[in-house]
Amino acid sequence: AQSVTQLGSHVSVSEGALVLLRCNYSSSVPPYLFWYVQYPNQGLQLLLKYTSAATLVKGINGFEAEFKKSETSFHLTKPSAHMSDAAEYFCAVSDGATNKLIFGTGTLLAVQP
Amino acid sequence: EPEVTQTPSHQVTQMGQEVILRCVPISNHLYFYWYRQILGQKVEFLVSFYNNEISEKSEIFDDQFSVERPDGSNFTLKIRSTKLEDSAMYFCASRAGQIQNEKLFFGSGTQLSVL
Repeated sequence: AQSVTQLGSHVSVSEGALVLLRCNYSSSVPPYLFWYVQYPNQGLQLLLKYTSAATLVKGINGFEAEFKKSETSFHLTKPSAHMSDAAEYFCAVSDGATNKLIFGTGTLLAVQP
Repeated sequence: EPEVTQTPSHQVTQMGQEVILRCVPISNHLYFYWYRQILGQKVEFLVSFYNNEISEKSEIFDDQFSVERPDGSNFTLKIRSTKLEDSAMYFCASRAGQIQNEKLFFGSGTQLSVL
């Protein structure tokens, strides 16, 4: 069975600091991996997805994630946090057959001025 | 960008009552989903729907749950007799269905509180 684990339910960074949100996956088949973001009072929006084309995936708003098979990780990073990045971030995995997403528990990112 | 719309944003109900959560997927989409998130827990898959029938459902989606696309635009989730543990944020999602692992578009959710 596929799963993802997000380490850290709450992460706080200063504005301008590096953002690192961790995600580790478990999958018996080559995984399709996603990061979604949820801003307050909004739906889940796709930030980026990995579908085996390239291990470093660039998404919207300056975010990127690197697929590391040896570490079974797909961590999300952004070099410089902005106040508008404050949101909840979800890592998810799909088996590619049904497009059903398996989500992690989410990480709430706070950005301090 | 097109949006999935969910109503109401908040729903409060008494235990044992029936609730219907409504969703309007993006108009040319063919695949529809319901997910839920209990406070502090993972976003969980409930059900997927295609071609007017359920294509997959999770263990959570028992006989108390049903989905319907009554008029070609709305996609509803009905909980027949709500329980306290049904309290959660319910998300509707849709996708066009043209390519594998394409983007899911999510609504902003309905917060269901069962008292």
